Amino acid sequence: SAVISQKPSRDICQRGTSLTIQCQVDSQVTMMFWYRQQPGQSLTLIATANQGSEATYESGFVIDKFPISRPNLTFSTLTVSNMSPEDSSIYLCSVDEGLEGAGGYTFGSGTRLTVV
Amino acid sequence: AQSVAQPEDQVNVAEGNPLTVKCTYSVSGNPYLFWYVQYPNRGLQFLLKYITGDNLVKGSYGFEAEFNKSQTSFHLKKPSALVSDSALYFCAVRSNTGGFKTIFGAGTRLFVKA
Repeated sequence: SAVISQKPSRDICQRGTSLTIQCQVDSQVTMMFWYRQQPGQSLTLIATANQGSEATYESGFVIDKFPISRPNLTFSTLTVSNMSPEDSSIYLCSVDEGLEGAGGYTFGSGTRLTVV
Repeated sequence: AQSVAQPEDQVNVAEGNPLTVKCTYSVSGNPYLFWYVQYPNRGLQFLLKYITGDNLVKGSYGFEAEFNKSQTSFHLKKPSALVSDSALYFCAVRSNTGGFKTIFGAGTRLFVKA
């Protein structure tokens, strides 16, 4: 299965600043997914990142707040912009191991973000 | 719209006893169903999946799950629980007509007591 390197693993940031999270995959993948996991809660999909096109955002998430880059088939970044304490969460990237959506996801180790 | 429900926030079981973590779902089209586990201070790990075929699927660490179409359920089971199985378990669903978006349940925390 794919191996994902995600960094930083954690950060404490001042409100109003931005943080960029990076995910590097050891194989080429068509789609990468960015999730948010708020403390003690489930995962919420932020956006789907395809190489060569703009990311597709879920309801409640906008590009100005969470810009995503996908410059090639092995790398993606998620930026959390103009942060507020409500953005404190674990952010996870993932890839789909299977064809046509039939695989399980492999997740990065996550970025624990605290906004003060 | 797709949805998945895990009706129990927490499940407690004694070591050596069988365990069940419940999951029900709602999708249009045929469901793709998944279970993931999150151990403390560790990332999410894929456990098993149902795509098609045999309703009973086996996965990692001795876990299995049974797909029941009439009850729209996909309960996770293990015949004999271990203390090391204590973790947070997520059920997830994807529709073969809904693109590749996966929806996760709220999670069930499993405590296995020695």
